[in-house]
Amino acid sequence: DVKVTQSSRYLVKRTGEKVFLECVQDMDHENMFWYRQDPGLGLRLIYFSYDVKMKEKGDIPEGYSVSREKKERFSLILESASTNQTSMYLCASSFRGGENIQYFGAGTRLSVL
Amino acid sequence: QQQVKQSPQSLIVQKGGISIINCAYENTAFDYFPWYQQFPGKGPALLIAIRPDVSEKKEGRFTISFNKSAKQFSLHIMDSQPGDSATYFCAASMDSGGGADGLTFGKGTHLIIQP
Repeated sequence: DVKVTQSSRYLVKRTGEKVFLECVQDMDHENMFWYRQDPGLGLRLIYFSYDVKMKEKGDIPEGYSVSREKKERFSLILESASTNQTSMYLCASSFRGGENIQYFGAGTRLSVL
Repeated sequence: QQQVKQSPQSLIVQKGGISIINCAYENTAFDYFPWYQQFPGKGPALLIAIRPDVSEKKEGRFTISFNKSAKQFSLHIMDSQPGDSATYFCAASMDSGGGADGLTFGKGTHLIIQP
């Protein structure tokens, strides 16, 4: 079974803190993605990566950055957390080519106070 | 700009009935249309998907109907069961030519199947 593991289920941070959300996949997938999920808004793509050290902006990249130093690990960074970044963050991975099946982690619920 | 519009936002169906969720898209470059199912506390999981070269795809009790000219697609759940109670998301993506293809999601439908 594909496993996408997000390091924290819940996080509480203060406004202005630098926040790291970590994601690890065990299926040797080339592609990795970060989405945020908000009630009534569905999932929105923040950043994605198709290879180590490669990154692409999604639909809502403002206030976020990412890092991919190893194939299995994709980190989402909030440089200076703000209250409007309180959300559920979901990581996903997929194989390059073929059907675009994305496998999701269980999510990290981040609260910024 | 919302590129994938999903309706209804919530839906209550009696056990054994048919659940129908609809989506409409705007970008004609989309060429892959999946449906994801999400249970509370879990991440979304792929349920069924379709490409625009076919008008219908069926897997067990789940069917996608696709209308390319209308730019609409829908999910039908036959003989709905209480275990189908979940949030359903339609999505769409386009072929980036070998790179990663992010998904554009609808806003979701909260489905409740009453026993």
